[in-house]
Amino acid sequence: QKEVEQNSGPLSVPEGAIASLNCTYSDRGSQSFFWYRQYSGKSPELIMFIYSNGDKEDGRFTAQLNKASQYVSLLIRDSQPSDSATYLCAVKIGAGRRALTFGSGTRLQVQP
Amino acid sequence: EPEVTQTPSHQVTQMGQEVILRCVPISNHLYFYWYRQILGQKVEFLVSFYNNEISEKSEIFDDQFSVERPDGSNFTLKIRSTKLEDSAMYFCASSAVFTGLFDSYEQYFGPGTRLTVT
Repeated sequence: QKEVEQNSGPLSVPEGAIASLNCTYSDRGSQSFFWYRQYSGKSPELIMFIYSNGDKEDGRFTAQLNKASQYVSLLIRDSQPSDSATYLCAVKIGAGRRALTFGSGTRLQVQP
Repeated sequence: EPEVTQTPSHQVTQMGQEVILRCVPISNHLYFYWYRQILGQKVEFLVSFYNNEISEKSEIFDDQFSVERPDGSNFTLKIRSTKLEDSAMYFCASSAVFTGLFDSYEQYFGPGTRLTVT
């Protein structure tokens, strides 16, 4: 069973702090990694993707990938109350496939 | 900014009835997907579609499900005989395909159709 694991939270951080969200995956064949944000009752919104080991930055967001440790993380700098949502880690497993396997998500609460 | 659209936003149906959920993917995308999310649970992959045929499907996507691209813009999911456990949010997604060195795997989701089976 190919699994993507996330701590369900809630992760509570004060406004302006750095929020760190983590995700582990079980299949070493995993190739592409995505972070989606999902507000309650809404659809997943793609915020970051990373394909290679290392860090990738986009504005206040940084995705970090360590394939050896099968670990991907998302850092949100200068957290805002509007960042309060559930963050879904999704993994594309296997060459030639496009299906995404999602984790259960981490609920982030940014306290004003 | 281009986006995936879905209709209807909410569908209520009786058990055993057929439903068709509709999606209009982003116009230059060539891969289309259906996912579902039962309330409080993970987003689950159902099926992917490329070049007018199914390219992948999950165990969930059994014979009661079918997909179709009836014209150049719409992509549909049909559930032939709905069950109570089909109640969920159904999300359509699409992604682009590049013919160069690098492919694009980023999937963009529509707003979803909430299906309630009574």
